[in-house]
Amino acid sequence: ETGVTQTPRHLVMGMTNKKSLKCEQHLGHNAMYWYKQSAKKPLELMFVYSLEERVENNSVPSRFSPECPNSSHLFLHLHTLQPEDSALYLCASSPGTGGTNTQYFGPGTRLTVL
Amino acid sequence: KQEVTQIPAALSVPEGENLVLNCSFTDSAIYNLQWFRQDPGKGLTSLLLIQSSQREQTSGRLNASLDKSSGRSTLYIAASQPGDSATYLCAVRSPPDTGKLIFGQGTTLQVKP
Repeated sequence: ETGVTQTPRHLVMGMTNKKSLKCEQHLGHNAMYWYKQSAKKPLELMFVYSLEERVENNSVPSRFSPECPNSSHLFLHLHTLQPEDSALYLCASSPGTGGTNTQYFGPGTRLTVL
Repeated sequence: KQEVTQIPAALSVPEGENLVLNCSFTDSAIYNLQWFRQDPGKGLTSLLLIQSSQREQTSGRLNASLDKSSGRSTLYIAASQPGDSATYLCAVRSPPDTGKLIFGQGTTLQVKP
């Protein structure tokens, strides 16, 4: 148990659907992250939040909309996705964003876009 | 732009063998380098983190080294076991430090009983 949970674990959605991914950390951390892991590509950072403020947006299309209502919760709202958005979406948290902080990962949400 | 490469992409060894996984990065200006393990369908587990001022870190049967000037890191696994079978990912932190990790594509290891 890593202290970072993600729901749902699996999601299948059509291109016109709207869905949300949820991440919760029970570690008292101040920073949270969304990563995308596509087949045959390196894991890519999408967004970074520190103390509920977005500090990094790694050129992610607007059909992905993050929300961080408090330091324990992070959402990724999805709308009008494309089949190439099918991937494993991983959430992580760390005490802070500084270089000495280890990131702790959740189990991921496997997303399939039809 | 920082890029991370891991070689080999896949590795299969008999149980008990010592092995080395390789990671290289293009820009030596890093804050630290981290090795992760990922089991199929699961998230990542941090194994070792090496700060830019360090040369190596050890945890049990794992030893990670860092040569920042040449842009290389190795993960040494001693006396491999079937339970070590997983994908091993290398990631670096580079300026600007917003918490962004840049990952390699990983090495998938299979240890045969």
